[in-house]
Amino acid sequence: EKVMTQFPATLSVSPGERVTLSCRASQNVNSNLAWYQQKPGQAPRLLIYSASTRATGVPATFIGSGSGTEFTLTISSLQSEDFAVYYCQQYNNWPLTFGGGTKVEIK
Amino acid sequence: EVHLLESGGDLVQPGGSLRLSCAASGFTFSSYAMNWVRQAPGKGLEWVSTTTGPGSTTYLSDSVKGRFTISRDNSKNTLYLEMNSLRAEDTAIYYCAKDPRESSPYYSDHWGPGTLVTVSS
Repeated sequence: EKVMTQFPATLSVSPGERVTLSCRASQNVNSNLAWYQQKPGQAPRLLIYSASTRATGVPATFIGSGSGTEFTLTISSLQSEDFAVYYCQQYNNWPLTFGGGTKVEIK
Repeated sequence: EVHLLESGGDLVQPGGSLRLSCAASGFTFSSYAMNWVRQAPGKGLEWVSTTTGPGSTTYLSDSVKGRFTISRDNSKNTLYLEMNSLRAEDTAIYYCAKDPRESSPYYSDHWGPGTLVTVSS
């Protein structure tokens, strides 16, 4: 099983700041990596797939990068609606596995 | 517009059974793999099970293998999760999620709002 590790667990930031979230895979997952955003009381929402491709309707402020075992999600200028928990997921192999999440909170 | 709506969540005793349903609309249901993903209270996301578009191939996580069964009725555009021998650790919101293609493994591009399963005496 590929273990996905996200860090930090929590990020305290101010609106307008640039933030970088990290996701590490225990083994190579190529570019088969997705990022999801989840707000309280809501279902996850797909942001990024294939490590760097934005899903439909996702603003250009969300930038995914990486391949192999190291991945990052950058939010270039944090908006109020971006405060949420972010999860990475590998889909290179079964079982599908998610990281533990990074909570982006208001500083 | 893709729409997924789960139902069937309830309070059930340990050792009990439950069947979840996910009604799908807005897309050609049989052409896409479908998943169940769960989230325990205050915890992260955990993949549970996947079925390919035709329903001919299914996958289950080790944590539910032998207890849960995923199935689909493409004539009714509905996904199911049959849950037996339920344990306290199965308590979670269960999400139905659609893949963007017929086969897996893949990511999920649409999610339902979820249904809560509580296993407690």
